[in-house]
Amino acid sequence: EVQVAESGGGLVQPGGSLRLSCAASGFTFSSHSMSWVRQAPGKGLEWVAYMKQDGNEKYYVDSVEGRFTISRDNAKNSVYLQMNNLRAEDTAVYYCARDDYNKPGDYWGQGTLVTVSS
Amino acid sequence: DIQMTQSPSTLSAFVGDRVTITCRASQSISIWLAWYQQKPGKAPKFLIYKASSLESGVPSRFSGSGSGTEFTLTISSLQPEDFATYYCQQHNTFPRTFGQGTKVEI
Repeated sequence: EVQVAESGGGLVQPGGSLRLSCAASGFTFSSHSMSWVRQAPGKGLEWVAYMKQDGNEKYYVDSVEGRFTISRDNAKNSVYLQMNNLRAEDTAVYYCARDDYNKPGDYWGQGTLVTVSS
Repeated sequence: DIQMTQSPSTLSAFVGDRVTITCRASQSISIWLAWYQQKPGKAPKFLIYKASSLESGVPSRFSGSGSGTEFTLTISSLQPEDFATYYCQQHNTFPRTFGQGTKVEI
């Protein structure tokens, strides 16, 4: 059974940092690309970042470029999102999703809440 | 960036109704469009990819069509469990972008 689970969310002050983790199981992690998607309270879905299975390609939404970094450890079946210089508008539930060329989001985690507030 | 626009934003319907949601892209995305269903407090559920391919396990009352810039999601006979918010997403280029969502209400 495919499982994806995020962790690492919490309350952080503006300008602070947080690192989200996403652990996957039930599939060959090293063969699949992964994305982070977020959803602000009461709002729609926003794609945030993507990393190809071999780590050679990364993409970000403009609003997080230079502040967020996606990485992965295929030996640990995990993908990460390092978030620096956080802003109030980064407050959201962050989801991790398997993201392949044909199927951009067939498996999702339950999400982890990040709240940026003083 | 490619902008995705869904219509309507909210749709009121009865159980048994045929429901159609439209998604328009600001430029051609060929067939690289996915549809998701999301219920309150839950992660999105993957329904359709490549505009018209039904994900395994998704009921056949869901169908997708379109190419280029105009796409539709159709629910042939609305069931109680289908009341949710639906999102389209283009996966033709980065940044991937979602529509703003369509809430299907009773």
